[in-house]
Amino acid sequence: AQTVTQSQPEMSVQEAETVTLSCTYDTSESDYYLFWYKQPPSRQMILVIRQEAYKQQNATENRFSVNFQKAAKSFSLKISDSQLGDAAMYFCAFMNYGGSQGNLIFGKGTKLSVKP
Amino acid sequence: GAGVSQSPRYKVAKRGQDVALRCDPISGHVSLFWYQQALGQGPEFLTYFQNEAQLDKSGLPSDRFFAERPEGSVSTLKIQRTQQEDSAVYLCASSLAGRTLGYGYTFGSGTRLTVV
Repeated sequence: AQTVTQSQPEMSVQEAETVTLSCTYDTSESDYYLFWYKQPPSRQMILVIRQEAYKQQNATENRFSVNFQKAAKSFSLKISDSQLGDAAMYFCAFMNYGGSQGNLIFGKGTKLSVKP
Repeated sequence: GAGVSQSPRYKVAKRGQDVALRCDPISGHVSLFWYQQALGQGPEFLTYFQNEAQLDKSGLPSDRFFAERPEGSVSTLKIQRTQQEDSAVYLCASSLAGRTLGYGYTFGSGTRLTVV
């Protein structure tokens, strides 16, 4: 069974600085997807960034980028130029590719605080 | 609608009561998921619909949980004889495509169920 581990329950960053959130996962599959979701107090899960495992190039979305290390099964999220609106819970998630799968498997989350 | 709508936003139930949680996905979305998010945890998969067909209910924790999507749009998650361990946020997500394509899903803001 696949598992996702986020080892940092809480992180803090100064506004305008950079922060990296860690995520590791365990799978025997070779094709899969990885995601980072943001959950503000409104509870709605918002997709931040998505990575296909077969792609070597790391995904980027504006101030958000990932460091995907397939051999190490590591998928960290870097937030540059942090803004107050980035404060939220961040969840790393895994999804099998194709077949009858497609369910997201989430980590326990990292609570990010942004200091003005 | 423009997003995934869930109602009620909050629900308090006495232990032993039956509850029904509603999810109104984005119009035309084929896939619909229910997730359960306990306090301090990441969401966990409950069940999956493709149109009106419930293709996966492997995550439902007991036979007290029942979900339906009779016309392939609105879905209802029903919990019978609620127990304290059922207290959680119940999230609904939908996607235009089938679940094998690995796209991130659009989540609703969830229903927070508290069983007292």
